[in-house]
Amino acid sequence: DAKTTQPPSMDCAEGRAANLPCNHSTISGNEYVYWYRQIHSQGPQYIIHGLKNNETNEMASLIITEDRKSSTLILPHATLRDTAVYYCIVRGMEYGNKLVFGAGTILRVKS
Amino acid sequence: GAGVSQSPSNKVTEKGKDVELRCDPISGHTALYWYRQSLGQGLEFLIYFQGNSAPDKSGLPSDRFSAERTGGSVSTLTIQRTQQEDSAVYLCASSFLGTIFDGELFFGEGSRLTVL
Repeated sequence: DAKTTQPPSMDCAEGRAANLPCNHSTISGNEYVYWYRQIHSQGPQYIIHGLKNNETNEMASLIITEDRKSSTLILPHATLRDTAVYYCIVRGMEYGNKLVFGAGTILRVKS
Repeated sequence: GAGVSQSPSNKVTEKGKDVELRCDPISGHTALYWYRQSLGQGLEFLIYFQGNSAPDKSGLPSDRFSAERTGGSVSTLTIQRTQQEDSAVYLCASSFLGTIFDGELFFGEGSRLTVL
């Protein structure tokens, strides 16, 4: 597994963009980057994933650096309901199909 | 159902008792996962089922833990002779195509186990 490093916590003002960084300097060529979030007392929720191209969906954008050693999850207009723990995970097919969750980043969106 | 359903939502038991936790995955999902989350901790992988393949049991913490999936659908996680350190939220997830690259994992709300 490529390990990931995320800041333990971040604050963001409501309505502003939240940019959550993730370092994965040992990522290999066939490993994907996944983002999940977990709102208090709920199960984790998938946000987005990517291999090397930037990705966007209705929830967020994922920006992966050209060398793939880091990525940023962008919530374009954070709301109070986006307060959660955000997990960045990398995984390759050859290691099986389980996702290994780290400690994540606690994002606090404040009004 | 509309999502992954887990029962019971809360279970309080005495040390040494056996418990069973149930997971109903989303209909048609071929893969099913169990994780646990202790208070203030991250998610710990326990076991993974994919179709008729042998399950990946590499995360089960001891032989007191076992799981089965009947008919490729409902799964039961059994903890025998529970210990206080087993207290945690047990989360089940399912996936449509059985690989993490083709789809996302859908998680249930979890079963909170408290061992007194």
